[in-house]
Amino acid sequence: KQEVTQIPAALSVPEGENLVLNCSFTDSAIYNLQWFRQDPGKGLTSLLLIQSSQREQTSGRLNASLDKSSGRSTLYIAASQPGDSATYLCAVLPYGNNRLAFGKGNQVVVIP
Amino acid sequence: NAGVTQTPKFQVLKTGQSMTLQCAQDMNHNSMYWYRQDPGMGLRLIYYSASEGTTDKGEVPNGYNVSRLNKREFSLRLESAAPSQTSVYFCASSEAGRGGYTFGSGTRLTVV
Repeated sequence: KQEVTQIPAALSVPEGENLVLNCSFTDSAIYNLQWFRQDPGKGLTSLLLIQSSQREQTSGRLNASLDKSSGRSTLYIAASQPGDSATYLCAVLPYGNNRLAFGKGNQVVVIP
Repeated sequence: NAGVTQTPKFQVLKTGQSMTLQCAQDMNHNSMYWYRQDPGMGLRLIYYSASEGTTDKGEVPNGYNVSRLNKREFSLRLESAAPSQTSVYFCASSEAGRGGYTFGSGTRLTVV
């Protein structure tokens, strides 16, 4: 069974610092990996989708890398802002089914 | 560009009452999903529908039923609500295979 881990569960950074969030998964046989953002009381917003054949994806200040062989992905948020405060969830889509396996998220607070 | 629409957004039920949560997507996605999100438990899959006309159990199907009414709509029914079903419910959809998931904004359900 695919296990997805995000450590730490919570972190705080001062405004302007770069944010680095890590995700690890136990089985490298995946179709893709997706990063989501969730604000309190809201739904999940997709940030980046990386297919298994890709090494990274970028959107504005966000960059996500994927190292399938080592079972790791990293989400970088450059020059963090208070508006980046949210929970970030990592999810992988394993081969053989279309059921996402989620991590429990990194709760981020950016301090003004 | 509606994406995935869930109704209602909030609901309070008494123990033993029944209700149906509605979900519709306008992206022509084949697959649809129902999740529940509880503090400390993360997102757990209740049921999913890989394509129109098919449904399958996820991790926590007990106490729920689903109907894939057509390609656009996937409903979740609680026949006899219990306090343990107090949760936030999310519907999602995806292309079959390698597509990313799109989530609705959620239904916050309280069973008293």
